[in-house]
Amino acid sequence: DAGVIQSPRHEVTEMGQEVTLRCKPISGHNSLFWYRQTMMRGLELLIYFNNNVPIDDSGMPEDRFSAKMPNASFSTLKIQPSEPRDSAVYFCASSLAGQGAYEQYFGPGTRLTVT
Amino acid sequence: GIQVEQSPPDLILQEGANSTLRCNFSDSVNNLQWFHQNPWGQLINLFYIPSGTKQNGRLSATTVATERYSLLYISSSQTTDSGVYFCAGGDYGGSQGNLIFGKGTKLSVKP
Repeated sequence: DAGVIQSPRHEVTEMGQEVTLRCKPISGHNSLFWYRQTMMRGLELLIYFNNNVPIDDSGMPEDRFSAKMPNASFSTLKIQPSEPRDSAVYFCASSLAGQGAYEQYFGPGTRLTVT
Repeated sequence: GIQVEQSPPDLILQEGANSTLRCNFSDSVNNLQWFHQNPWGQLINLFYIPSGTKQNGRLSATTVATERYSLLYISSSQTTDSGVYFCAGGDYGGSQGNLIFGKGTKLSVKP
């Protein structure tokens, strides 16, 4: 069974450019999470969806960040315009929430560098 | 929100040694996981353990939910165990499974 798939794995872009990160959750999972990892702040939740609906976006840094989940098998995280401080590893995770099972499985991450 | 504290922050072991990593929570959690982040950055699931004890090969974990802590035991460590170990917890009743991560324990196993 395929795990969480993220693309691209690496992204280098210039300040001011739009960046789109993509995620395909594990088939059958109903919750999807976007996390960001930096040396300064560690792993922090940006936003999560349940049944394709955004539940909590309080971790989204600012209006430059937006996330969508148009269907159960695809989500995007967009940064527009990008800034050097957005450089980080962005992880997507999914879980099957409910029936007492909430184990999250992480994708390989997208390493974003904004110059 | 929930605070997650891990100790020790760094650990250096000789191959073959045993170790215990600890995770304390500031509040009750009913969703708790241990992860290993390998040198390539991948987050590998080790245990989903909101309570009780589990074992998987040389690794085992125990969570005492009433006292808000969890322990990860690594026995007969190998160089491939090196990396950062994270615990993460949350309250799925209130937030549907959101995880708060600790800062991690960086483990280096020397040959």
